[in-house]
Amino acid sequence: DAGVIQSPRHEVTEMGQEVTLRCKPISGHDYLFWYRQTMMRGLELLIYFNNNVPIDDSGMPEDRFSAKMPNASFSTLKIQPSEPRDSAVYFCASTQYRDNEQFFGPGTRLTVL
Amino acid sequence: GEDVEQSLFLSVREGDSSVINCTYTDSSSTYLYWYKQEPGAGLQLLTYIFSNMDMKQDQRLTVLLNKKDKHLSLRIADTQTGDSAIYFCAERFSGNTGKLIFGQGTTLQVKP
Repeated sequence: DAGVIQSPRHEVTEMGQEVTLRCKPISGHDYLFWYRQTMMRGLELLIYFNNNVPIDDSGMPEDRFSAKMPNASFSTLKIQPSEPRDSAVYFCASTQYRDNEQFFGPGTRLTVL
Repeated sequence: GEDVEQSLFLSVREGDSSVINCTYTDSSSTYLYWYKQEPGAGLQLLTYIFSNMDMKQDQRLTVLLNKKDKHLSLRIADTQTGDSAIYFCAERFSGNTGKLIFGQGTTLQVKP
């Protein structure tokens, strides 16, 4: 398996633009997590899905953030409109409930100018 | 609520042992984890310990769990420059989900 795949790896955009981050979890995994990592706040859980259903979105910072999982092999995290304070590395991770490991993607480094 | 805390920085000399400490608050956690993040990469699981264990050893890594004090530590023997990374402690949320609560991460600097 190729592991968790995220795209793009780097994104530079201007304030006010829409940004869409993509994630393909490991096949067969029933949990998918979106995290954000910054120097100031460390690693924050934004939202997670179980069997494509959002379970806990309490970490989503504002209404500008939305996440979807239309099927078991694809998820998106959208920021609209983006702001400079959204600059961070965004990670996607997946797991099976009975596993003891969350598998992380390589991350998307987002820079909002 | 649940919370995991770590010191932010540790510096050691190559060949020395490193000990990274972590405290957590959820006494019903079932598993506790150590993840490693190398520069520019995602997190990777190093090791984990079940809550009914006191110690787990895996080659150069030793995990100690003091459940009474809710204290977890990771000891790396014979630390190498390749061990330089950020180390995250995490606990498995007790609500029977796949959710993990991560600490802030400890940056380990290994000097030659």
